[in-house]
Amino acid sequence: GAGVSQTPSNKVTEKGKYVELRCDPISGHTALYWYRQSLGQGPEFLIYFQGTGAADDSGLPNDRFFAVRPEGSVSTLKIQRTERGDSAVYLCASSLIGGVRTDTQYFGPGTRLTVL
Amino acid sequence: GDSVTQMEGPVTLSEEAFLTINCTYTATGYPSLFWYVQYPGEGLQLLLKATKADDKGSNKGFEATYRKETTSFHLEKGSVQVSDSAVYFCALNSGYSTLTFGKGTMLLVSP
Repeated sequence: GAGVSQTPSNKVTEKGKYVELRCDPISGHTALYWYRQSLGQGPEFLIYFQGTGAADDSGLPNDRFFAVRPEGSVSTLKIQRTERGDSAVYLCASSLIGGVRTDTQYFGPGTRLTVL
Repeated sequence: GDSVTQMEGPVTLSEEAFLTINCTYTATGYPSLFWYVQYPGEGLQLLLKATKADDKGSNKGFEATYRKETTSFHLEKGSVQVSDSAVYFCALNSGYSTLTFGKGTMLLVSP
């Protein structure tokens, strides 16, 4: 079926505003991940969902960042009181099982967030 | 903790040249190893993977062998094409579900 999709592809906001980034995983994938990629760097882990619950949120940088996956499919990453340092590409990935080292993660095209 | 170190780029080659991109890692467990590729303007795509020592992953003419004794997973291709120009990321998964990535290596292939 279709791959991982993310919306919007680009988001420009002002410092202090609230933003929501959406991820639609591959159908049937139980695990969903959010990463953040800054310019010239590799992706860095933010949060991992197994079904509806956050199995690991140790990568969230602070309490301004929050993510949900209420029905075990689509996920939304929410950022409150955005700061210029939040500017990055936010990547979503999904995998069939999760929780095993051999599982392959498939990535979406990303949302480029720019905070002015 | 886990970490991945890749050779810095850009790597600049002429078409049909031999490619090696070095990748070494440190891991707390017994990781699976991955190479992802990011073509200009596109998202990350899995290129190949290996899940145990001495396994060789291969795809599109690229290959990499899981070397546990040297903690390495170097990417090779015998004859690169202009269309291989991209950023290549080495990554590992120790079983905690998250991927740990290197910083990426840009490859530029000229005709």
